[in-house]
Amino acid sequence: RKEVEQDPGPFNVPEGATVAFNCTYSNSASQSFFWYRQDCRKEPKLLMSVYSSGNEDGRFTAQLNRASQYISLLIRDSKLSDSATYLCVVKAAGNKLTFGGGTRVLVKP
Amino acid sequence: GAGVSQSPRYKVAKRGQDVALRCDPISGHVSLFWYQQALGQGPEFLTYFQNEAQLDKSGLPSDRFFAERPEGSVSTLKIQRTQQEDSAVYLCASSLLRQARSYEQYFGPGTRLTVT
Repeated sequence: RKEVEQDPGPFNVPEGATVAFNCTYSNSASQSFFWYRQDCRKEPKLLMSVYSSGNEDGRFTAQLNRASQYISLLIRDSKLSDSATYLCVVKAAGNKLTFGGGTRVLVKP
Repeated sequence: GAGVSQSPRYKVAKRGQDVALRCDPISGHVSLFWYQQALGQGPEFLTYFQNEAQLDKSGLPSDRFFAERPEGSVSTLKIQRTQQEDSAVYLCASSLLRQARSYEQYFGPGTRLTVT
């Protein structure tokens, strides 16, 4: 079983709609959580950190459920430019990041 | 300012050849990481440096993989006797030790290695 698991998708989303997806992690000692975005054939870039109380950044909302060990990302009012792969990332003690396999989102007109 | 740069961007190697991949981190970044990303997968951790010290090499898949950062800035990932399963994108990332409220690793564009 992988340490961080994500639905690979793709999630086909009409422009303007809301889409949400989760990831689960197996290491209960995980301390920090992030969503990274990766465009096709490009490097990953940090989208947002995920805090225990949940947090919002514009149209993006992230939630963390430590008891069930899952993280979610919700995108409101989807734009064509939101089409990308979203990588769920977890950090335990130490410095290495553990990535999920990514969830592909395709926003269509 | 300049981001993380990697060279070469593309490398084709014949099976059995040795390759060397270079990473130039963001100036002043203490931490440097190497990841391997296979097609359709997320990046997998290979190794981590803090300055010139290699603090974690638990992700290196075999003793054919070797990384160094002798002066605490530029790093080189070397793969000896390449095999077809080494074909992947090799990503380098750098970060300050710790930033307020987030721990951001900045990634380079990667080196796409194809072993034929």
